[in-house]
Amino acid sequence: DQQVKQNSPSLSVQEGRISILNCDYTNSMFDYFLWYKKYPAEGPTFLISISSIKDKNEDGRFTVFLNKSAKHLSLHIVPSQPGDSAVYFCAASAGYSGGGADGLTFGKGTHLIIQP
Amino acid sequence: DVKVTQSSRYLVKRTGEKVFLECVQDMDHENMFWYRQDPGLGLRLIYFSYDVKMKEKGDIPEGYSVSREKKERFSLILESASTNQTSMYLCASSQRTRSSMGTQYFGPGTRLTVL
Repeated sequence: DQQVKQNSPSLSVQEGRISILNCDYTNSMFDYFLWYKKYPAEGPTFLISISSIKDKNEDGRFTVFLNKSAKHLSLHIVPSQPGDSAVYFCAASAGYSGGGADGLTFGKGTHLIIQP
Repeated sequence: DVKVTQSSRYLVKRTGEKVFLECVQDMDHENMFWYRQDPGLGLRLIYFSYDVKMKEKGDIPEGYSVSREKKERFSLILESASTNQTSMYLCASSQRTRSSMGTQYFGPGTRLTVL
C-alpha cells in the first residue's frame, strides 16, 4: 500500500512558466514533508521541506504548499529553468520518536522536463 | 558542507558473489540508511541504523545484511548476489535531532549490475 503517491510519472513545462508537482499521502501520522531532486546517475538532493504546523514554505524559486485536510502537498517552481529538468521525489516522515532512526517514505517520483 | 561518499559509482558482479557496498559520512550523523532505486518503484528502504552496531530492517531487507562498526561508516552486504539485485543503491544519513526533523542527505549512488 503506497502511503505517498505521486500520480504523474512525468510533466512537461515550458521554460519560464510555473511547474507544479503534486503529492498525496494517506498516513495521518506524517508530520514532516520533503522534496528531493535527482539527476540521472546522482544521489537525490534535498530541496525544500515543510512541517505540518505550516501550510507554506518558500525558498527562492521553490515553494511548497501543504493542505493537511486533503492530505496533499505541492511543489511550485517559478520560473522554471532548463536546469530544473530532473526527477522530483516527495517524501514524508512520521516525526522523530525520540528513540530510533527517522525513516522517510518516498513517492515514486515525477520526471519534470523543462522545454526551451 | 554535508558529505556522503560511496565506495564505487559503478560495480559489475557475477551471480553468487558476495558484494560489499561502503558508505561514509563526515557530518557526525547518528542515522544512516541504505535504499535501492528502480524505475517506476522510487526509493525503497533496505536497512537503517540509528547508532553504532544497531540496525533495523526496512521495507525490503531480504537478501541483504548491514554492518555499522563505526559511526561514520555503514556497509551494505549482498551475501550471494542475484540478478534481481541489479539496481542503483543509495546511502543516506541524518541527524537525530528534532530541529532537522529527519532530513536525509544522500551519497552519489552505486550502480550495481549482477550478471
